[in-house]
Amino acid sequence: AQKVTQAQTEISVVEKEDVTLDCVYETRDTTYYLFWYKQPPSGELVFLIRRNSFDEQNEISGRYSWNFQKSTSSFNFTITASQVVDSAVYFCALSEDDNTDKLIFGTGTRLQVFP
Amino acid sequence: EAQVTQNPRYLITVTGKKLTVTCSQNMNHEYMSWYRQDPGLGLRQIYYSMNVEVTDKGDVPEGYKVSRKEKRNFPLILESPSPNQTSLYFCASSQGNRNTEAFFGQGTRLTVV
Repeated sequence: AQKVTQAQTEISVVEKEDVTLDCVYETRDTTYYLFWYKQPPSGELVFLIRRNSFDEQNEISGRYSWNFQKSTSSFNFTITASQVVDSAVYFCALSEDDNTDKLIFGTGTRLQVFP
Repeated sequence: EAQVTQNPRYLITVTGKKLTVTCSQNMNHEYMSWYRQDPGLGLRQIYYSMNVEVTDKGDVPEGYKVSRKEKRNFPLILESPSPNQTSLYFCASSQGNRNTEAFFGQGTRLTVV
């Protein structure tokens, strides 16, 4: 069965530290899509990245980077030189290759960045 | 501006009093869905719709109804709310081909007392 596991419930760091948020997924499909969303204290969900299962290239966007490894079924998210504004709950999600756009979410990781 | 609009943002109601949370998108998306977010459980899909007049159950549909009479609107209906439906609700829309991300509304925080 499909599943997304974010084992880290809460992480606290001091500003400028690097931090990695882990995401492990389970799926039987060979074609699937992985996502990261950010939920700041204001509550909305902000899209960060989408990755399909055939693209294992790592991606960097500013201070954000993502490491996709099919061999370990992981899609980890690293924030370099964290800032207070990065404080949020981060969700990893999986979408399988069916006829729906259903997202299967992990339970989220709350990141607190202290000044 | 592309957006998904939910109303209301906050709602406190009593057990058994029917309520509707509205959702509207302006992107001509075919796929719309409702999720609820609960502590320690992440977001779980309640219902989804792949097009007008086409709806189906998600993972936690009990106690909810939806309709899709127009492409842009996808209201969530609680006929007889109960305290276990106290949650944060999100409406989402997407193109329906998994090639793009889902756009989420601002969320509706519902409390049933």
